[in-house]
Amino acid sequence: DTAVSQTPKYLVTQMGNDKSIKCEQNLGHDTMYWYKQDSKKFLKIMFSYNNKELIINETVPNRFSPKSPDKAHLNLHINSLELGDSAVYFCASSQGTPLGYTDTQYFGPGTRLTVL
Amino acid sequence: AQSVTQPDIHITVSEGASLELRCNYSYGATPYLFWYVQSPGQGLQLLLKYFSGDTLVQGIKGFEAEFKRSQSSFNLRKPSVHWSDAAEYFCAVGSNDYKLSFGAGTTVTVRA
Repeated sequence: DTAVSQTPKYLVTQMGNDKSIKCEQNLGHDTMYWYKQDSKKFLKIMFSYNNKELIINETVPNRFSPKSPDKAHLNLHINSLELGDSAVYFCASSQGTPLGYTDTQYFGPGTRLTVL
Repeated sequence: AQSVTQPDIHITVSEGASLELRCNYSYGATPYLFWYVQSPGQGLQLLLKYFSGDTLVQGIKGFEAEFKRSQSSFNLRKPSVHWSDAAEYFCAVGSNDYKLSFGAGTTVTVRA
């Protein structure tokens, strides 16, 4: 049973295209996240949703738009892809406790996006 | 704002030898600390976490970490490494706005 799943695992596309990455968690968690891991393996938070409400929105170009149809899903849509968007994108989820800093985050396997 | 420093970019260790990965954090309040491991081509897996209580924390795969408030450190250790421990290791600190701030990671190579 996969706890946090992402599709696709690999995504190769041309500059200027629009693409989506899907994430689903079956842990019953209230909070979901998107992270970007760059070529130097540095991980940075992009967005977070708690019960379908956006709670973290870091400095990310507005070409990136998260969408949460329900609390088990958090999709990432990227418009007008650029070369610099090439990275590994990780989805994660956590229980969403009131003390947010105690939350343990569970990560998906990642989506490797390559923009040509 | 919280931050995490992992001073060692890359560590090579022989199979069967001990391993210690360093992590220093900066956070104004009580830190909530995590160690994650990322195997090649895989997602992140939680090894262990520290919230409060005993400062020596046991995790999965034979790992442990010790929280030292006086040194702002949360170093990860394993007494005897296996070839399967070759991976990227990330230390992270949690904040009360749900953000998890990661260090830059330490790559561990295990030689036979």
